[in-house]
Amino acid sequence: QSVLTQPPSVSAAPGQKVTISCSGSSSSIGNYYVSWYQQFPGTAPKLLIYEDDKRPSGIPDRFSGSKSGTSATLGITGLQTGDEADYYCGTWDSSLTAWVFGGGTKLTVL
Amino acid sequence: EVQLVESGGGLVQSGGSLRLSCAASGFSLSTYWMSWVRQAPGKGLEWVANIKQDGSEKYYVDSVKGRITISRDNAKNSLYLQMNSLRAEDTAVYYCTRQGTTFDYWGQGTLVTVSS
Repeated sequence: QSVLTQPPSVSAAPGQKVTISCSGSSSSIGNYYVSWYQQFPGTAPKLLIYEDDKRPSGIPDRFSGSKSGTSATLGITGLQTGDEADYYCGTWDSSLTAWVFGGGTKLTVL
Repeated sequence: EVQLVESGGGLVQSGGSLRLSCAASGFSLSTYWMSWVRQAPGKGLEWVANIKQDGSEKYYVDSVKGRITISRDNAKNSLYLQMNSLRAEDTAVYYCTRQGTTFDYWGQGTLVTVSS
């Protein structure tokens, strides 16, 4: 069982918006930056969002991140079939003294 | 261009050892913390270990403490993971990652399979 809690799956139609939640605690999300990673089958994860809401160079502004208290959210607008992937949140946990990830959310674009 | 290339994975019997390597290019390894993250088949991501720029600090997930050692050679721009007393549950793709406030670059991964 992962320290950070994500829904196993989400789905939406092309062109629509979807959000993926990530729930943690005061020792993790509540006090540390959250990152989001995108992973296609058979490939390495790719950084999508860092420091809660920042996008690396090359990541389209259709992807956004936010945080409130001990939860974080990834938003994706204008969904494309190419967005179908697994999405993971991650942060540092001071009580575990370890980096932790959510269990991952599989996005299906119907 | 930042590149991380892992090597050294393979099939090993339970109780055996493997040494993974990660060759870094496109940046100065000596200026970054580095981490190993693994992913068991069909499962999520699990952070394994990290090491400070000069190697003076190292941290491990509880499940590998005493069996796995992370190290680095900045002169060779390389990161290593020495894995001993391997167990079936260590079977995973192991990724080398550059670490700041996030894991911003990842290698392609190397597969470690531990047979019982």
